[in-house]
Amino acid sequence: DIQMTQSPSSLSASVGDRVTITCRASQGISNYLAWFQQKPGKAPKSLIHDASKLQSGVPSKFSGSGSGTDFTLTISSLQPEDFATYYCQQYSAYPLTFGGGTRVDIK
Amino acid sequence: QLQLQESGPALVRPSETLSLTCTVSGASIRSVTSYWGWIRQAPGKGLEWIGSSYYSGSTYYTPSLKSRVIISVDTSKNQFSLNLSSVTAADTAVYSCARGPIYDWNALYYFDNWGPGTLVTVSS
Repeated sequence: DIQMTQSPSSLSASVGDRVTITCRASQGISNYLAWFQQKPGKAPKSLIHDASKLQSGVPSKFSGSGSGTDFTLTISSLQPEDFATYYCQQYSAYPLTFGGGTRVDIK
Repeated sequence: QLQLQESGPALVRPSETLSLTCTVSGASIRSVTSYWGWIRQAPGKGLEWIGSSYYSGSTYYTPSLKSRVIISVDTSKNQFSLNLSSVTAADTAVYSCARGPIYDWNALYYFDNWGPGTLVTVSS
C-alpha cells in the first residue's frame, strides 16, 4: 500500500496568512494526487486533482504543486471560510489511500 | 448536477451485516467514465477508502476489509450498494458514497462528488 503522510497534523493561523500543507507519498505516484477540504459535519469537497489542477468553482487562492513523492497545498490568503481539515489522496494505485489530515484552526 | 445520497440503518448489531445504498441523480451509473465508491470516517479519525465498483460490476476493495465487503451496482435503479459483514464496534463510522471520474486511463481516480454521509453505529 502507498502510505500518505501529511504535515503538520494541525496548525493555527490568522486571517490573511499564507498557509502551506505538505503531503508525502511512500513511493512515487507521478502527479496522481488530490486535495480535499472538510468542514465539521460535512462531506469532503474536492479542491485540486492531478496535484495542481483546480477543481471547477474553487477559488484561485488554493494552489497545489509537486510530483513523485512530495506535494504541497497552499492557501495564499487564509479567510474565515478556509478554517477546516484538509486531506490528500493518491490515485496512482490500489488501494486508494488518504493522508491523515491537517486541521487548520484560527490563531 | 450530480448528486449522491446514502440511505440505510443507523444502528447495526455486532456480528450482523451493515447494508447501505447510494442513490445517484443527475448522471447515469452506467457512465463509462465513472467509478462509484464508498469511503468511511470513524469518529474523530481520517478518511478510509472501502472499495469501488464500475457499472459493469468490476470491483476493487481495500485489503483490510476485502473479506467482509461486497459492493454492487443496480443500473435499473441508478444505485449502488455496500454490504459489510460481521461488523464490530470498530466499524462505527460515517459512511459516504462518491463518484470517481475516469479521465486518464493511465490513472485511477479521485472522488469529485460526495454524498453527505450517514453515521452508522455498531452497538447491541
